[in-house]
Amino acid sequence: DQQVKQNSPSLSVQEGRISILNCDYTNSMFDYFLWYKKYPAEGPTFLISISSIKDKNEDGRFTVFLNKSAKHLSLHIVPSQPGDSAVYFCAASGSSGNTGKLIFGQGTTLQVKP
Amino acid sequence: EAGVTQFPSHSVIEKGQTVTLRCDPISGHDNLYWYRRVMGKEIKFLLHFVKESKQDESGMPNNRFLAERTGGTYSTLKVQPAELEDSGVYFCASSQGLPNTGELFFGEGSRLTVL
Repeated sequence: DQQVKQNSPSLSVQEGRISILNCDYTNSMFDYFLWYKKYPAEGPTFLISISSIKDKNEDGRFTVFLNKSAKHLSLHIVPSQPGDSAVYFCAASGSSGNTGKLIFGQGTTLQVKP
Repeated sequence: EAGVTQFPSHSVIEKGQTVTLRCDPISGHDNLYWYRRVMGKEIKFLLHFVKESKQDESGMPNNRFLAERTGGTYSTLKVQPAELEDSGVYFCASSQGLPNTGELFFGEGSRLTVL
């Protein structure tokens, strides 16, 4: 029973355009949502997060949108750069108290073409 | 400041053998986590230490897996005996407190291949 799902295994965009990565969840008890970025042979690195009481959080080129009624969040990258090419994981926390335990999606591989 | 370090980076063993993975968290981080990613799927939680105590081990697959964190510093994850389905990348992560945002610092992972 997967509580966090990223239904698009891959996404390819042109440099300078917008990248939109999507994530769906099933557990309404989640109180924080996060995006991690992972390059090959490296560990995931934290990118951006959003509290469940907000619907948008922005950090430079990265914006995360949360739609609680739809149990859906998305990560927008504008403008996309070749260095953004990586695997992006959506994650959620809070379903079992504030323990730091994260529930991850399967990941979406983003390729930004020059 | 050194990040989370893991050893070995890659281990290839035969089914039935034993492997021990090691994780050194960021200095001063009381919280240490083990996660696993199998076959390009999601990254799955295995367990959580607070200092030397196991806070949550609900993700441990079975009793072939044993995690320890002696003295609340580095941690080891032993798989004995290893099975084919144990192959994957094992990530260690640490955090200073219990971060409200869930932000964790991950190591580069230990890739385990069981033949």
